[in-house]
Amino acid sequence: DTGVSQDPRHKITKRGQNVTFRCDPISEHNRLYWYRQTLGQGPEFLTYFQNEAQLEKSRLLSDRFSAERPKGSFSTLEIQRTEQGDSAMYLCASSPRAGDGANVLTFGAGSRLTVL
Amino acid sequence: AQSVSQHNHHVILSEAASLELGCNYSYGGTVNLFWYVQYPGQHLQLLLKYFSGDPLVKGIKGFEAEFIKSKFSFNLRKPSVQWSDTAEYFCAVIPPMNYGGSQGNLIFGKGTKLSVKP
Repeated sequence: DTGVSQDPRHKITKRGQNVTFRCDPISEHNRLYWYRQTLGQGPEFLTYFQNEAQLEKSRLLSDRFSAERPKGSFSTLEIQRTEQGDSAMYLCASSPRAGDGANVLTFGAGSRLTVL
Repeated sequence: AQSVSQHNHHVILSEAASLELGCNYSYGGTVNLFWYVQYPGQHLQLLLKYFSGDPLVKGIKGFEAEFIKSKFSFNLRKPSVQWSDTAEYFCAVIPPMNYGGSQGNLIFGKGTKLSVKP
């Protein structure tokens, strides 16, 4: 499978716990994006990386949210001290760096978070 | 607030009916426009996109969309739907930079669920 892979597909946690999601982009894609989707809404942009550089993070929802892409390949999204309002689908996407394709995102299947 | 609006929350059609899903956005200037589809149990997939040029864009599976700048619209159409088109459809926009647009920052509408009866 050469698509965008996300793990785990579903995470159930208790309020106050930390959770981490992993995303493996399409190998030839330099850019990686995180989105969040809540019930009845479209996806909402959170942050993006070009290689290992995080070029936009102002839309991360709070300082409990952080993302890394240390070697410019896979990325992790961590949520600390989870709250029930964090329950959502967390989507990862990737795109090539250059040309029109740079704005054409390929999405993964998502990681669904349920906070009890 | 600047936004993307999809007019219909849920559309129910019979097979062979024609489809038009509305999408309006509220950003002036140059925008990049997309329609994504999410089939049941699957991930978001790109249906079609508009960056520039011919405002009538053809996508996969017989879908097309028309960009009408004066109406700030990008409606999705298909002449004859099939049961397999049952899915949720999302319109998305990358706004101009002066509206906070940035690389890969797609602003999505809330989606329209399409149910096609066999």
